[in-house]
Parts: sequence; C-alpha cells; structure tokens
Amino acid sequence: TQLLEQSPQFLSIQEGENLTVYCNSSSVFSSLQWYRQEPGEGPVLLVTVVTGGEVKKLKRLTFQFGDARKDSSLHITAAQPGDTGLYLCAGGLGGATNKLIFGTGTLLAVQP
Amino acid sequence: DAGITQSPRHKVTETGTPVTLRCHQTENHRYMYWYRQDPGHGLRLIHYSYGVKDTDKGEVSDGYSVSRSKTEDFLLTLESATSSQTSVYFCAIRGSDTQYFGPGTRLTVL
Repeated sequence: TQLLEQSPQFLSIQEGENLTVYCNSSSVFSSLQWYRQEPGEGPVLLVTVVTGGEVKKLKRLTFQFGDARKDSSLHITAAQPGDTGLYLCAGGLGGATNKLIFGTGTLLAVQP
Repeated sequence: DAGITQSPRHKVTETGTPVTLRCHQTENHRYMYWYRQDPGHGLRLIHYSYGVKDTDKGEVSDGYSVSRSKTEDFLLTLESATSSQTSVYFCAIRGSDTQYFGPGTRLTVL
C-alpha cells in the first residue's frame, strides 16, 4: 500500500509568519500535486511538479519535489488569513488512469 | 469551474437503506473518479471509470458499486448503507495533468 505522510497535521500561526508543510513517502511517484480545500468545497489544484528536484513558485508559495520523487514540501512566505485552509498533497501514479494517492492533509489557520 | 455537479449535496439516511449519489460533468471527460474523505485519512479512491460501462475498483471499494451508462454521469451506490460509510464523497474528472473535483456530498448514515 502506498502512503503519503503529511506533517504537521495542524498549524496555527500569526499573519506574516513563514511555514513549511512536508509530504513524505517511501514510494516513487510520477508527479506530485498540491491542493487546497476550503470548508464545504472540493480540493482545488495549486501546482503539479513532475521532475525530481523541481521547484515551482506561485506568488508567496514555493513547492519542491524531492530528487528521488518520493517527497515534497510547500513553503508559504508571509502567511495571510486568506491562506487558511486544508492543504493536501497527492502522488500521481501515472499511466492512463493517473490515479492519485492523497496525503492525510495539513489544516492551516492564519490568525490576523 | 470544471463543470462538475454532485447531487444530493447533503443526505441523511438510515442503516440498511440503499443510497445513490450522482456525479454529472459537462466536459466530456473520459475518466471519472469517486473518493471519500474522512478525518485523518485524506481522500481515498472508491471506484473509477475509464469510459461508458468501463469501471474498476479503488482502494476502498467494499460496500460500494458504480455505474456509468453515459459519459456525463457517474453513479455511486451504497447497496445497504452502514454507519462506517458516513463521510463526505467527492467526484472528480481527469484533466490533462490533474483531477478536478466536484463540491462533494455529505452523507450521514444513522
């Protein structure tokens, strides 16, 4: 069974602080995706990384895919209350079906 | 907006009753997926479909069946609901390099 462990599970910080969320596995994935989910809604894709060592930046969010394609991190600089939500990583198995294995999620609360 | 709707959005039912959840897409995508989301487990794949009448099991398929008679509709059926199936259910479609999710159905089995 392929598992993705996310840490931390919960994070409560003040506006302006930096934070990093980790997503780790013993399995190799063809891609790694990060989603953000708000209450009562479905997950929304933030980014997809496909190359080992790849780094992508999306405004204040920086995503990195590990060299061995087994782990990933999400770093948020100067967090804002609008960043509050559930962050999910998902490993792509590739192929025609492109099934995803989801991490357990990190619930982030940014206090003003 | 990926053109995915789910119905109903909320449902309360009793143990032992059959329940069918519907996912409808307007994007004509071939691949569709059903997930359940529970605290501490993230999203887990129940079943998926790769075309009309073509379906396969995911990691938590016991107690669930699916059907896809039209490209746009993917149905998830709980033949005899149990309390362990209380969850939030999400449908998804496959885009070019990701999956797009519907708004979810919150199901409570009493």
